[in-house]
Amino acid sequence: EAGVTQFPSHSVIEKGQTVTLRCDPISGHDNLYWYRRVMGKEIKFLLHFVKESKQDESGMPNNRFLAERTGGTYSTLKVQPAELEDSGVYFCASSLAVSSYNEQFFGPGTRLTVL
Amino acid sequence: AQSVTQLGSHVSVSEGALVLLRCNYSSSVPPYLFWYVQYPNQGLQLLLKYTSAATLVKGINGFEAEFKKSETSFHLTKPSAHMSDAAEYFCAVTPRGGYGNKLVFGAGTILRVKS
Repeated sequence: EAGVTQFPSHSVIEKGQTVTLRCDPISGHDNLYWYRRVMGKEIKFLLHFVKESKQDESGMPNNRFLAERTGGTYSTLKVQPAELEDSGVYFCASSLAVSSYNEQFFGPGTRLTVL
Repeated sequence: AQSVTQLGSHVSVSEGALVLLRCNYSSSVPPYLFWYVQYPNQGLQLLLKYTSAATLVKGINGFEAEFKKSETSFHLTKPSAHMSDAAEYFCAVTPRGGYGNKLVFGAGTILRVKS
């Protein structure tokens, strides 16, 4: 069974440009999460989808970030326009159920560098 | 708000020596607790989790962790380090009950194993 995949693995863009990150969760996982790790800091929650609905987007930093999950399968996270402080590693995770103790399966992350 | 403290951003042990990675949480109600490991260029992988059964939890690759409510701790141990254990380890918590299980992570501890 394929794990969580993320594309691209690395992205280098100029400040002010737009970048779209993609996450494909494990097949059948209704729950999809985005997290971000800024260099040297903790991994922080961004948002949680249940199928195509945003369940919790309390961690989204500002309105330059837009997450979508059309059809309840893969998800995209768009940053527009990108700022220097957006650099970091963006992780996606998925889980089968939403209970607090259920394991989240993580992808390898997308390393975003904004110059 | 919940928080997680991992004492020591870097830990170095000799091969065959005891591994001890420290994690303390701050929460009035004991949360669910997790340890994840990230090997280079891979996603986070669940090592073990505490959900409320036995306070000593055994995980994969010979790791275990003990939940101590009085100390608000969930330290990770392994009796004998192996070179393949070199990775970054993350302690994470999520509150009990409620809907959704966004993880709150510690800053991570990089484990180095010396031959």
